[in-house]
Amino acid sequence: EPEVTQTPSHQVTQMGQEVILRCVPISNHLYFYWYRQILGQKVEFLVSFYNNEISEKSEIFDDQFSVERPDGSNFTLKIRSTKLEDSAMYFCASSTRDRGRNEGEQYFGPGTRLTVT
Amino acid sequence: DAKTTQPNSMESNEEEPVHLPCNHSTISGTDYIHWYRQLPSQGPEYVIHGLTSNVNNRMASLAIAEDRKSSTLILHRATLRDAAVYYCILREDNAGNMLTFGGGTRLMVKP
Repeated sequence: EPEVTQTPSHQVTQMGQEVILRCVPISNHLYFYWYRQILGQKVEFLVSFYNNEISEKSEIFDDQFSVERPDGSNFTLKIRSTKLEDSAMYFCASSTRDRGRNEGEQYFGPGTRLTVT
Repeated sequence: DAKTTQPNSMESNEEEPVHLPCNHSTISGTDYIHWYRQLPSQGPEYVIHGLTSNVNNRMASLAIAEDRKSSTLILHRATLRDAAVYYCILREDNAGNMLTFGGGTRLMVKP
């Protein structure tokens, strides 16, 4: 069964450093997402991406964050200058365009645990 | 935003049915009801969704009240692997593609 994959599984970085989290969505999917979950808290939406551009973003997704689909398979989340409060699990997800906006299911990857020290 | 209300936690015995309730009294006519679950240390996983009629799939059943103000996720025979946080999420027609997660229900399954 096709699945979303993410690398690395765990990333440790120092405050102020740039990090890039990588995701390979399911191959025939067209919508891509990033969510994060701070330890013990809710899963929060960051950004959605379709047709090579951001379609929606939350207040969390400020100028420190960017997303890119550099080739036909990868989808990346970059944090330019990490802060302690960026420590969280980051989940990538993807979905097809077959269903309407509020019907289609999203498929999540296993996550990358980002630890900022 | 349309919101959902779920119990914080529930317990079940292995191999017994589990009914996970969700209240969504502010639901509007075009909102879909989605359920996801998150197993320990994993990403969320789609379970089932519906609009008005009850739905069945290989993972679970979804029973939707006639007035659509509540729904119940039914696991017909709970296994230890079903221990997870279950999220009931309303997908609004004009709210884009994002999923808005609440606190969910933590289901504990006892052997």
